[in-house]
Amino acid sequence: NAGVTQTPKFRILKIGQSMTLQCAQDMNHNYMYWYRQDPGMGLKLIYYSVGAGITDKGEVPNGYNVSRSTTEDFPLRLELAAPSQTSVYFCASSYPQGPGYTFGSGTRLTVV
Amino acid sequence: TQLLEQSPQFLSIQEGENLTVYCNSSSVFSSLQWYRQEPGEGPVLLVTVVTGGEVKKLKRLTFQFGDARKDSSLHITAAQPGDTGLYLCAGAHAGGTSYGKLTFGQGTILTVHP
Repeated sequence: NAGVTQTPKFRILKIGQSMTLQCAQDMNHNYMYWYRQDPGMGLKLIYYSVGAGITDKGEVPNGYNVSRSTTEDFPLRLELAAPSQTSVYFCASSYPQGPGYTFGSGTRLTVV
Repeated sequence: TQLLEQSPQFLSIQEGENLTVYCNSSSVFSSLQWYRQEPGEGPVLLVTVVTGGEVKKLKRLTFQFGDARKDSSLHITAAQPGDTGLYLCAGAHAGGTSYGKLTFGQGTILTVHP
């Protein structure tokens, strides 16, 4: 009954460092998404994937990269971290027809 | 870019009061979803409305989708402290390569005082 699992829960990065946020789902959902959540701004889509081997940019993709080698996993890569990437990151998954997303519990990232 | 304007941004009320949260857009969505988020957790789906004019009830929560599928509202009757949280509306894009993606409103932080 895991749903969507995100690791790590918290991370502090120095400017210029890189890291990978992990996301795994066990519901056999085709679609997976990465969002960032900033105070008062709702959630902004970074990247999404409609199936293994297929990814596309969302609204705010700069500074990030993704891959989708399996249905279950959708890691998000941050290269050359910047303070503007300080945020809470959520991974989500869904079936193509809905009814809605299942979210992970988030990764709180601070870049100093 | 399709935008969703959610209001109010903050709502602080006493237990037992009623409240309504609004979600408005100039764009048409294939469906409108409402989520509730608690601190330190991801959003959890409350309901999805699909048909223009549709009304769904979830205990004391009533959700309505506008006839033109551009707006939605969430009404809570007799609010309780357990209703405290961040409420998010999200519109699903229809068709083509946009299918499945959601546009989120900015959220409404609801605090219900005992």
